[in-house]
Amino acid sequence: NAGVTQTPKFQVLKTGQSMTLQCAQDMNHNSMYWYRQDPGMGLRLIYYSASEGTTDKGEVPNGYNVSRLNKREFSLRLESAAPSQTSVYFCASSEHRGRAFFGQGTRLTVV
Amino acid sequence: SQQGEEDPQALSIQEGENATMNCSYKTSINNLQWYRQNSGRGLVHLILIRSNEREKHSGRLRVTLDTSKKSSSLLITASRAADTASYFCATINSNYQLIWGAGTKLIIKP
Repeated sequence: NAGVTQTPKFQVLKTGQSMTLQCAQDMNHNSMYWYRQDPGMGLRLIYYSASEGTTDKGEVPNGYNVSRLNKREFSLRLESAAPSQTSVYFCASSEHRGRAFFGQGTRLTVV
Repeated sequence: SQQGEEDPQALSIQEGENATMNCSYKTSINNLQWYRQNSGRGLVHLILIRSNEREKHSGRLRVTLDTSKKSSSLLITASRAADTASYFCATINSNYQLIWGAGTKLIIKP
């Protein structure tokens, strides 16, 4: 039972490049989340998906897109990376109103 | 804006002492959750307290919830070096999204 698997773990991008962060969970959860965490700060919600095929913007959605093609997978795409998007990204899943399970994070640097 | 706010931002205590950290939130909740994060890794769930509960225990952890004051506290008793981490509270907002405070950084000195 892997829980929440996030890839890649590390990534360096040049300004303007695009990339997709992948996330998959094997706990049959409906809710999935993408967060970013900047140094010394808490998690800020980028996008949320309550179920397959639905997505909602969180606190900081600008510059990001997401896709929830099936119940297991929730991907985050940066279309044109900017230095302000340098951060650690976490994917999480949960049952409705329940405890959340996290991936190990993706450390993204945009130069 | 963040739903939960932890206090203090940082706390340094001697091993064996108790550590208390607080969380305040803004809107009505269904439950409040506490998590631990070690060195920028993924967060690990510690305890969930429902809005109709006032106190909950799990091992050396004690969580209280005061819905009238919109606040919660996490007490770690008999602290150990391994408790050094950042601690976050989280609540569900009206859109069923899990929202986080900025966290308390706890350092346990040997």
